[in-house]
Amino acid sequence: QVQLVQSGAEVKKPGASVKVSCRASGHGFSRYGIGIGWVRQAPGQGLEWMGWISIYSGGTHYAQKFQSRVTMTADTSTRTAYMELSSLRSDDTAIYYCATDTVTGYQADAFDIWGPGTMVTVSS
Amino acid sequence: DFQMTQSPSSLSASVGDRVTITCRATQNIGTYLNWYQQKPGKTPNLLIYSASILRSGVPSRFSGSGSGTDFTLTITNLQLEDVAIYFCHQTYSGPPEAFGQGTKLEIK
Repeated sequence: QVQLVQSGAEVKKPGASVKVSCRASGHGFSRYGIGIGWVRQAPGQGLEWMGWISIYSGGTHYAQKFQSRVTMTADTSTRTAYMELSSLRSDDTAIYYCATDTVTGYQADAFDIWGPGTMVTVSS
Repeated sequence: DFQMTQSPSSLSASVGDRVTITCRATQNIGTYLNWYQQKPGKTPNLLIYSASILRSGVPSRFSGSGSGTDFTLTITNLQLEDVAIYFCHQTYSGPPEAFGQGTKLEIK
């Protein structure tokens, strides 16, 4: 059974960076590898797709909105993905989810497995 | 610019009703469209993928249809536990991957 475990809540000041981790465990991932998508949700708002990373190839695809501020990396030995967001602003306050796809055969198309979310608060 | 438009933003229906939520893309995305349900305080839950494939374990009262630019999520025989926010999510390579704005479903 596939599970995603995320790092704990963070409180950051404006202008700082935050790095959230997501460790994948279990079996049943796509035959093409483990893709980890990152989605955020500001309080009371909808879902916002940030991008995804293929853990074993290291390939990434970022949403244009975050292109200049986000870096997604991975540690293949621990099957852990990282999402670092820099130059934080108050409107980056949100729950940051990682998610993966074990149903379509693609790595990160339909997210059927989600991490519990990491609350990131940006406040001076 | 590519856009995904989900409607309605909210709706209220009675137990047993049939409800329909739509997503429209401004360019052809084939069947690269997924539907999620999010209950208050919970993580999103995948209901439908590839426009019409019901995820295993999801009640059969949920169904998805459409291709190209117009997609529909239908819930028949609405139940109390279906109160949630529903999101569409397009994943076609080319246009920016994006979620719809969400539809808040309430019971009358």
